[in-house]
Amino acid sequence: SQTIHQWPATLVQPVGSPLSLECTVEGTSNPNLYWYRQAAGRGLQLLFYSVGIGQISSEVPQNLSASRPQDRQFILSSKKLLLSDSGFYLCAWKTGANYGYTFGSGTRLTVV
Amino acid sequence: RKEVEQDPGPFNVPEGATVAFNCTYSNSASQSFFWYRQDCRKEPKLLMSVYSSGNEDGRFTAQLNRASQYISLLIRDSKLSDSATYLCVVNILNDMRFGAGTRLTVKP
Repeated sequence: SQTIHQWPATLVQPVGSPLSLECTVEGTSNPNLYWYRQAAGRGLQLLFYSVGIGQISSEVPQNLSASRPQDRQFILSSKKLLLSDSGFYLCAWKTGANYGYTFGSGTRLTVV
Repeated sequence: RKEVEQDPGPFNVPEGATVAFNCTYSNSASQSFFWYRQDCRKEPKLLMSVYSSGNEDGRFTAQLNRASQYISLLIRDSKLSDSATYLCVVNILNDMRFGAGTRLTVKP
């Protein structure tokens, strides 16, 4: 079956520390993958998307980066976190034009 | 103007009530439409796709008006378990754009 895994579920990091969030998809090949951020009480903001290995598109300029080292792996990183990076980070996989996206369970990041 | 706009609510309704949410989108090239449900501190999950002719899934009815560029979701006979945030989602040129969501609380 097709599943998407995301970890960790919760993370508390100090300002200036690095970040690495991982997302993997099973049961499909060459998926379109997405990273979203949801700030408290706000809508989902698209951060990055990838249509294949090594292909990353950024939606908004920020101190975050993304990489796709393998077909079913998508990583979100930062070298130095800011307080404003706090939020709920969601990885998503495009299930199909008529089926929308399937989301991972999310990582709740608090930068202190 | 936001690409996808929703009334943030909150909507507080009693059990058994009928409640309707509306959503407007700005890009006439939008291709497909969805309603997602998001429970508190959880990921969004697909509730239903929205088809041009309108579609129904149990107590939920979705409508699309392309001329006016709005989408609606009707929930009949509300249950306590319907309490959640409902996200309107529009597929624009293969990118999904999310509304900020409408918060619904169903009370006993």
